[in-house]
Amino acid sequence: AQTVTQSQPEMSVQEAETVTLSCTYDTSESNYYLFWYKQPPSRQMILVIRQEAYKQQNATENRFSVNFQKAAKSFSLKISDSQLGDTAMYFCAFMIFNDMRFGAGTRLTVKP
Amino acid sequence: DAGITQSPRYKITETGRQVTLMCHQTWSHSYMFWYRQDLGHGLRLIYYSAAADITDKGEVPDGYVVSRSKTENFPLTLESATRSQTSVYFCASREAGGLLEQYFGPGTRLTVT
Repeated sequence: AQTVTQSQPEMSVQEAETVTLSCTYDTSESNYYLFWYKQPPSRQMILVIRQEAYKQQNATENRFSVNFQKAAKSFSLKISDSQLGDTAMYFCAFMIFNDMRFGAGTRLTVKP
Repeated sequence: DAGITQSPRYKITETGRQVTLMCHQTWSHSYMFWYRQDLGHGLRLIYYSAAADITDKGEVPDGYVVSRSKTENFPLTLESATRSQTSVYFCASREAGGLLEQYFGPGTRLTVT
């Protein structure tokens, strides 16, 4: 069975600093997709970044980047220049075909 | 309005009652999904649909029924609600192929007393 583990239930970071959120997953498949979603207090799920497993290059989106280690089944999210608006729950997700599995989430607080 | 909407946004029901959560999208996306979100579990897939009249089970389908007679609607029915079904329910949709990004609705908070 596919599982996703986020080992950091809560994290905090000072505004303008960098923080890394961890995610590991377990699968026997070789072709899959990985995502990070943000859920602010409004409860809306917002896609932050995605990564195709067949691509070796790590995805980046402005201040957000990932460190994808396929052999280690690790998919961490780095947030640079943290902003107060980054305060949210962050979910790592893993998808094969239409079956998307989410981790339990990391609550990130950005402090002024 | 364009996008994906869910109704109602909040619902309180009693154990044993039938309740239907509605989901509507205006993008004509092929795929639609239902998730539930509980503390400590993130989101878990209940059912999904690849097109009208095509549905399939997800990770936690027991106690739920879905249908999809029209592309834009994907209702989720709890035939006999239980307290363990108290949760926040999210509907999502995506187009076939492309970037595989799922677009989520605002969620429905369901409380079963």
